[in-house]
Amino acid sequence: RKEVEQDPGPFNVPEGATVAFNCTYSNSASQSFFWYRQDCRKEPKLLMSVYSSGNEDGRFTAQLNRASQYISLLIRDSKLSDSATYLCAVNEGRGSTLGRLYFGRGTQLTVWP
Amino acid sequence: DAGVTQSPTHLIKTRGQQVTLRCSPKSGHDTVSWYQQALGQGPQFIFQYYEEEERQRGNFPDRFSGHQFPNYSSELNVNALLLGDSALYLCASSLDRVQEKLFFGSGTQLSVL
Repeated sequence: RKEVEQDPGPFNVPEGATVAFNCTYSNSASQSFFWYRQDCRKEPKLLMSVYSSGNEDGRFTAQLNRASQYISLLIRDSKLSDSATYLCAVNEGRGSTLGRLYFGRGTQLTVWP
Repeated sequence: DAGVTQSPTHLIKTRGQQVTLRCSPKSGHDTVSWYQQALGQGPQFIFQYYEEEERQRGNFPDRFSGHQFPNYSSELNVNALLLGDSALYLCASSLDRVQEKLFFGSGTQLSVL
C-alpha cells in the first residue's frame, strides 16, 4: 500500500471554476502535510502547508482531516496560470524518517479559457 | 541568494554505465536529500545527507550511492544503469535534517538508452 494516494486526474476546468483535489495517507501518525505545485518536468514548489485548522492563501484553501486521513486543496476562480500538477506530500515525523517527504503521484490540472 | 543548483540539466547514458549528478544546496542549508521522479509519478525519496553522512535511505538498491562534502554540496552516483533509472532526479535542501520545508533544484533529467 502506498503511503500517499492521489487521483491523477486529469482535471480539465474552465477559467473561473472551483476545483478540489483530495489526497489520502496511510500512516495515522503522520505529522506534517503539504501541497506542492509542479509545472511540466520542472521542480516542485511549495504551494502551502496544511494545518489541522485549515488554512487559506488567496484563492487556495487547504484542509486536513485526521480522522479520515486525507488532505484537500480547493482552488477558487481558476486561472489559466493554475494549470500544473499538484502534489501532496506527507512527513511522518518519526525519528527514522524525520525530514523525509512521501509524495503522491500528483493530480494534473488544466484550466482552459 | 542562489537557490538549489543542480548539474547537469540533462544527461543521456547507456545501460551499464555509471553517472554522477551534482547538487549545491541553498545558501545556509546543511541538509541535502535526493529524490527520483519517474514520468507520471511523484518524487520518491532516495537518501538524505547531513554532516557528510547518509542519515536516511529510501527503498533504492546499493547501485545508488551518494556523498556530501564539507561545503554541504552533494553528489548522487548510480552504477550499472538500467533503463528503469530514466527519470528526473531532484535535489532538495533544508535548513536542518528535521526541517520539513524543502527547496528543490530544477533537477537532472537522466535518460538511459
